[in-house]
Amino acid sequence: EVQLVESGGGLVQPGGSLRLSCAASGFTFSTHWMSWVRQAPGKGLEWVANINQDGSEIYFVDSVKGRFTISRDNAKNSLYLQMNSLRAEDTAVYYCARVALPAARYYYINVWGKGTTVTVSS
Amino acid sequence: QSVLTEPPSASGTPGQRVTISCSGSSSNIGSNTVNWYQQLPGTAPKLLIYSNNQRPSGVPDRFSGSKSGTSASLAISGLQSEDEADYYCAAWDDSLNGYVFGAGTKVTVL
Repeated sequence: EVQLVESGGGLVQPGGSLRLSCAASGFTFSTHWMSWVRQAPGKGLEWVANINQDGSEIYFVDSVKGRFTISRDNAKNSLYLQMNSLRAEDTAVYYCARVALPAARYYYINVWGKGTTVTVSS
Repeated sequence: QSVLTEPPSASGTPGQRVTISCSGSSSNIGSNTVNWYQQLPGTAPKLLIYSNNQRPSGVPDRFSGSKSGTSASLAISGLQSEDEADYYCAAWDDSLNGYVFGAGTKVTVL
């Protein structure tokens, strides 16, 4: 069974840091682009970042550029999101997601984890 | 506000047909395929439609998608109580170089 399990969420003060992890199983992790998507409380979905199979291509939404980094360890079937300089507006459920087709014209996400909650508050 | 525009709500009685619209621009829907996600209350999103009108295995054929120009739509025929959920359209945006979502449409079964 294809599965993505996030961890690392929690309560952090504004300006603080947090590292999210995503453990993948049930598929060949190293052959897929991966993504992080977040959802603020009561709000819609927001794509956060993409990473290609070997980590050589990375994209971020403008609101997190310079503060977040995305990485992966194919040997451990794991995806990471390092979040620094956190702000109240980063409060959200963060979903790890598998990209089915990375080409822009046909891009879509086809597998989602259950999410991990990040709360930025003093 | 979201790059893709969806109505905030839609409703229907059991058995009815409900349609949700998604409006974008030449840099997203006009250039790239549209996908739809269903999010049941308290759960993670689930892929419902990809590549404008393709259903993943296991998605009932009551759900259908279409696209024309810079707009797309999701139709739910034979509405059922378990279809009560939030529905999001999404597409890659060439100008933003990112995957953009609509704000979501809450479907209520009356």
